[in-house]
Parts: sequence; structure tokens; C-alpha cells
Amino acid sequence: QQQVKQSPQSLIVQKGGISIINCAYENTAFDYFPWYQQFPGKGPALLIAIRPDVSEKKEGRFTISFNKSAKQFSLHIMDSQPGDSATYFCAASSQTGANNLFFGTGTRLTVIP
Amino acid sequence: NAGVTQTPKFRILKIGQSMTLQCTQDMNHNYMYWYRQDPGMGLKLIYYSVGAGITDKGEVPNGYNVSRSTTEDFPLRLELAAPSQTSVYFCASSSAGQGIYEQYFGPGTRLTVT
Repeated sequence: QQQVKQSPQSLIVQKGGISIINCAYENTAFDYFPWYQQFPGKGPALLIAIRPDVSEKKEGRFTISFNKSAKQFSLHIMDSQPGDSATYFCAASSQTGANNLFFGTGTRLTVIP
Repeated sequence: NAGVTQTPKFRILKIGQSMTLQCTQDMNHNYMYWYRQDPGMGLKLIYYSVGAGITDKGEVPNGYNVSRSTTEDFPLRLELAAPSQTSVYFCASSSAGQGIYEQYFGPGTRLTVT
């Protein structure tokens, strides 16, 4: 059973466009929602994360939007660049656990020049 | 700091063989984790540890064993390798503390069982 559902599976965006990736969860005990970025042949690296007490968090061109009532959150990449081409994973965890992360299935983003 | 290091980078095993994937972190993190990554499936937690001497099962522990004798090392043991264990394995670590959640991942080990 996939605890965090992610879509789309792949995404192609023109340079300068907006990339949007969506995730949904069921477990209301989750209280931490990170996004990880992974380049080919590398391990995932934390990109940005949000707690459920805020509805939006922005870091540079990357923004997380969080809808607690709908149990959904999304990643927006503004002014997408070819260097953003990577696989993006959303995840969720609960403070009551050992920080165990439940990952979405990933979105392969390709930004074309 | 080297962060999280994993060895080997690649390995091919025959069915029924065994091996140990090594993981070391130099950030003095209490929490360590092993994940496997399969195409289209994301990362699944195999085992985790909240400190030396303490380990627990994750989502997909069958066919694996772990030990944690030191803070730095968290090896993953595969006994009687099966083709279903063909995957990329990632080790990660995290600091223990209120509100500290970020996990730092190693570069991965690509394992093929034939």
C-alpha cells in the first residue's frame, strides 16, 4: 500500500515554464513533508520541506503548497531550468516515529531548452 | 565531512549467494536507515536504527538483516540472494532531536542478482 501517492510519473516542461508535481497522503499522523531531488547515479537530496502548520513555503524558485484538509501537497518550480532535470520525490513522516520517511513513486522532470 | 558513504558501488551476485552492503556516516547521527529503490516504486524502507544496538524492521525487511554495533556503521546483510533483490540500495542517516527530520543519503549500491 502506497502511503504517499505522487503524480505525474513524468513531466516535460519548456525552459522558463512552471513545473508542478502533486502528492496526496492518508495518514493524518504525518507532520513533515519533504521533497527530495535525485540526479542520475546519485542519492536523493533534500530540496525543501514543510510542516502542516503553514500552507506555503518558498525557497528561491521552489515552493511547496500544502492543503491540510485535502491531505495534499505540491511542489512548484518556477522559471524551470535544464539543470532542474531530475527525479523528484515527495515524502512524509511522523514525529512519533524514528523519522521514517514514506516516499512517493517519483516524478521524472525534463526541462527542455 | 564525507557524509554517508556506501560500498560497493556495484555488485553482481548469483542466486543463493550472500553479501554485506556497507554504510558509514561521519556526522554522529543517531538514526540510520536502509532503503531500496526500484523503478517506478520510489524508495522503500528496509530497516532502520535509532542508535547503536537498536534496530527495527521497515516496510520490506524480508531477506535482509542488519546490525548496529557503532554509531557510524550500519551494514545490511543479504542472505540467499534472490532476483527480487535486484535493486539500488541507499543508506541514509539523520540526527535525533526535536524537529530535526532531514535524512542524508549515500550514493547508493546497485545490486544485480542473476
